Amino acid sequence: RKEVEQDPGPFNVPEGATVAFNCTYSNSASQSFFWYRQDCRKEPKLLMSVYSSGNEDGRFTAQLNRASQYISLLIRDSKLSDSATYLCVVAKSGNEKLTFGTGTRLTIIP
Amino acid sequence: GAGVSQTPSNKVTEKGKYVELRCDPISGHTALYWYRQSLGQGPEFLIYFQGTGAADDSGLPNDRFFAVRPEGSVSTLKIQRTERGDSAVYLCASSQGANVLTFGAGSRLTVL
Repeated sequence: RKEVEQDPGPFNVPEGATVAFNCTYSNSASQSFFWYRQDCRKEPKLLMSVYSSGNEDGRFTAQLNRASQYISLLIRDSKLSDSATYLCVVAKSGNEKLTFGTGTRLTIIP
Repeated sequence: GAGVSQTPSNKVTEKGKYVELRCDPISGHTALYWYRQSLGQGPEFLIYFQGTGAADDSGLPNDRFFAVRPEGSVSTLKIQRTERGDSAVYLCASSQGANVLTFGAGSRLTVL
């Protein structure tokens, strides 16, 4: 079983819609969680960290469910510029390697 | 510089040759990571440095791969006897802590 699993998509969503992705992780000792965004042929960039209580940044909401070992990302009022691959990332502690999922590809359709 | 710099941006080599990829991290970042990414996949961990020492090299696929960071800043990833399966984008990232990585643009390696 992979350490971090994501549905690769693609998700094709009309502009203005709400879209949600889930990601599951296998190591219950995982402590740190993130969503990174990667545009085509570019490097990954941090989108947001995921906190135990859930957190929001504008149109983006991230949640963590430790009991079921999954994290989620919700994008509201989607924009064309949200088209990208969204990478789920997990680490065991503050100074250890980050493990990336395969990414979920999102395309926003005008 | 302001970001993580990787050279070369593109490298084409022949099977069996030796390759070096260089990473210049953000000044002051103590942690440096190497990942590689194949088409359609997420970044795959290779090695992580804290200062000059390799804190975790569990992702290096075999002994043809080696990385150094002799002065705790610039790092070089070295691949001996390259194989076609080594073709990928090699990503370097640096961090000041709390696992927030800033990636370079990557070095695209093609082994013919």
